[in-house]
Amino acid sequence: AQSVTQLDSHVSVSEGTPVLLRCNYSSSYSPSLFWYVQHPNKGLQLLLKYTSAATLVKGINGFEAEFKKSETSFHLTKPSAHMSDAAEYFCVVRNTGFQKLVFGTGTRLLVSP
Amino acid sequence: DSGVTQTPKHLITATGQRVTLRCSPRSGDLSVYWYQQSLDQGLQFLIHYYNGEERAKGNILERFSAQQFPDLHSELNLSSLELGDSALYFCASSPRVLAGRETQYFGPGTRLLVL
Repeated sequence: AQSVTQLDSHVSVSEGTPVLLRCNYSSSYSPSLFWYVQHPNKGLQLLLKYTSAATLVKGINGFEAEFKKSETSFHLTKPSAHMSDAAEYFCVVRNTGFQKLVFGTGTRLLVSP
Repeated sequence: DSGVTQTPKHLITATGQRVTLRCSPRSGDLSVYWYQQSLDQGLQFLIHYYNGEERAKGNILERFSAQQFPDLHSELNLSSLELGDSALYFCASSPRVLAGRETQYFGPGTRLLVL
């Protein structure tokens, strides 16, 4: 069965510095991988998705992620953090054969001035 | 705004009661998914409906049931509520079920508090 592991429960950065949120996946097949963001008291918004096309995926708000099969990783990055990026980020894999999404435990990103 | 709507936004009820959560998918989407987000379990898939038919079940309790109506809106029914059912319930939709690697678009959620 597919699964994802988010390696950090919390990440703290200063505004203007790079962001790295780590995610490793486990999948027997070529996976579909996603990053979703959840702002406080808000729903889930899709940041970006990987569906076996380009391994470097660009998303909204300057975020991108690179699919590395050899490392089974799908880390999320952003060159320069903004205060509005403070939120919970979920790495997600889609269960092949079904359409259900399997969520990681989430990484809370804290951005300080 | 994803185009998926959920009502109500908040729901406070007592143990043993029954509630119904409603979801309207994006225009044209045939698939509806329900997820539960709780502090101890995280985000978990509950159930998937496609064009009125149940397609997949996840960690959904027997006290919970769902259906999708001909107009494609869906309802999640929670009965004999327990304190542990307090959670944020999300609905998501996508255009089809097996055609390609589709994105699921999430609604804003319904926050359920069982007292």
